[in-house]
Amino acid sequence: GAGVSQTPSNKVTEKGKYVELRCDPISGHTALYWYRQSLGQGPEFLIYFQGTGAADDSGLPNDRFFAVRPEGSVSTLKIQRTERGDSAVYLCASSLRQGLSNEQFFGPGTRLTVL
Amino acid sequence: QQQVKQSPQSLIVQKGGIPIINCAYENTAFDYFPWYQQFPGKGPALLIAIRPDVSEKKEGRFTISFNKSAKQFSLHIMDSQPGDSATYFCAARDTDKLIFGTGTRLQVFP
Repeated sequence: GAGVSQTPSNKVTEKGKYVELRCDPISGHTALYWYRQSLGQGPEFLIYFQGTGAADDSGLPNDRFFAVRPEGSVSTLKIQRTERGDSAVYLCASSLRQGLSNEQFFGPGTRLTVL
Repeated sequence: QQQVKQSPQSLIVQKGGIPIINCAYENTAFDYFPWYQQFPGKGPALLIAIRPDVSEKKEGRFTISFNKSAKQFSLHIMDSQPGDSATYFCAARDTDKLIFGTGTRLQVFP
């Protein structure tokens, strides 16, 4: 069984550009999470999907960040007008369902560098 | 109130030693406390987890000790091996999202 996959593994862009980061969760997992990990820090929560809907987007830093999951499987994190401070590793995780002890399985991340 | 404080920032032990990593939290609504292991270039992987109604959990060489009244929990790695060299993160669950500590970089020398 394949784990969570993320593409691209690395993305270099220029300040002001638009980027899309993709996450393919483990098949059958209904919950999907995006986190951001800055150098030397722990992952920070961005947004959580249960099925197709965003159940909690309280971690999105501002309105330049947006995420979708139109069919309840693959998710795309979209960042508009990128800034140098957006440089980080963006991690995606999925879990089988909500509830107690639902393990979140993480992908390898996309390293975003904004020049 | 949403923070999880983790210490130490880095830890160096010899093979066979017992590194201990500590975490503290404030939010009593947290209901699940996992530890993740992360190797360079990889995503975090769940190591072991505990619920607040349990004071200790052991899986193989890894043990979590949980002190609910002090709002502290710790990870002990018995008989540490060079392959355990990685960054370890404690976390706490708030509803469905995980709040992570800042990480501990562990180096185990042969």
